[in-house]
Amino acid sequence: AQSVAQPEDQVNVAEGNPLTVKCTYSVSGNPYLFWYVQYPNRGLQFLLKYITGDNLVKGSYGFEAEFNKSQTSFHLKKPSALVSDSALYFCAVRDLYSGAGSYQLTFGKGTKLSVIP
Amino acid sequence: EADIYQTPRYLVIGTGKKITLECSQTMGHDKMYWYQQDPGMELHLIHYSYGVNSTEKGDLSSESTVSRIRTEHFPLTLESARPSHTSQYLCASSHRQGMDEQYFGPGTRLTVT
Repeated sequence: AQSVAQPEDQVNVAEGNPLTVKCTYSVSGNPYLFWYVQYPNRGLQFLLKYITGDNLVKGSYGFEAEFNKSQTSFHLKKPSALVSDSALYFCAVRDLYSGAGSYQLTFGKGTKLSVIP
Repeated sequence: EADIYQTPRYLVIGTGKKITLECSQTMGHDKMYWYQQDPGMELHLIHYSYGVNSTEKGDLSSESTVSRIRTEHFPLTLESARPSHTSQYLCASSHRQGMDEQYFGPGTRLTVT
């Protein structure tokens, strides 16, 4: 079984400060990990993914995420937050070795990011 | 922006009505998915398809049905809408490989009165 946890319902950060949105996961094998962003009344937009290779993944809009296998984490980061980054962020995981239904993603509950001017 | 479309974007209907939510994609993706999401909350997979004539139920029990007669089209139907069906419905698609990300449509916000 695969699962993902986003321990913070909300993260507040001042504009210009670095931001981190946390995600931890649980899988039987090796994980595929994804981050998505959702703006109000919109669908989800893909930000970045980790499949294999370099533990630091760079994505859209200046976001990056660090894969840490020992801590089973995949935290989303950005060096300098913008007000326009305020949105709902979802982490998702797929187990490489999952069987039937293996293309399904398991999503976290989401973290609301508020960037304060 | 991904080439995946949903209509209508907003729908308000009365209890007992039959409705179909449309989803289409022009990327030639084999895999398509329907999620249910209450505002600002997590996503729940209700249906998915791995190709034409393939449909499966997801993790969340749903009274809706789906069909996949064409690769690009994955409609969701509610035979008799109820207030408990009020929610946002998101359609997504992905390519063949499991490592590929899912692309989401803009969603349909359904309200059943």
